[in-house]
Amino acid sequence: TQLLEQSPQFLSIQEGENLTVYCNSSSVFSSLQWYRQEPGEGPVLLVTVVTGGEVKKLKRLTFQFGDARKDSSLHITAAQPGDTGLYLCAGEGYQKVTFGTGTKLQVIP
Amino acid sequence: DAGITQSPRHKVTETGTPVTLRCHQTENHRYMYWYRQDPGHGLRLIHYSYGVKDTDKGEVSDGYSVSRSKTEDFLLTLESATSSQTSVYFCAISEMSGHYNSPLHFGNGTRLTVT
Repeated sequence: TQLLEQSPQFLSIQEGENLTVYCNSSSVFSSLQWYRQEPGEGPVLLVTVVTGGEVKKLKRLTFQFGDARKDSSLHITAAQPGDTGLYLCAGEGYQKVTFGTGTKLQVIP
Repeated sequence: DAGITQSPRHKVTETGTPVTLRCHQTENHRYMYWYRQDPGHGLRLIHYSYGVKDTDKGEVSDGYSVSRSKTEDFLLTLESATSSQTSVYFCAISEMSGHYNSPLHFGNGTRLTVT
């Protein structure tokens, strides 16, 4: 069974601070995606990374795929209250997608 | 937003009763999935479908069955609900199985409580 561990599980920060969320596995994935989920809703795709070492930016969010395609990170610069939510990474293996355990982020105004 | 409707949105049922959750899509996507979400476990795949009447098991399929008689509808049935099946259930769809080509689009979930 492929496992994706996310850290930290919970994060509460002040508006304007920077943060990094990690997604780690011992398995290799062909691609990795990050989703954000708000209360009462389903997860929504933020980004997909495919190539080892790939970096993608989405406004204040920077996503990186590890060189060995086993891990990924999400960095948020100058966090805003609108960034509050549950962040999930998801790795695609052979005919299977594995979701991480999630990181619950709260940004306090 | 992808056209995915889950029903009901909330349900409370008693142990031992059968329960059916419905997922309806208007996107004509081939692949449909049922996940459950529990604290500390993220999203876990229950069953998925790769076409009408074509389904397969996920990692937590025990106690669940599915049916897909039409492209747009995917039903999840708990034959005899147990308290361990209390969870939030999400339906998702994708156009293709290659995840990086075709990400998952999720419904808004069904909160099921088994008492």
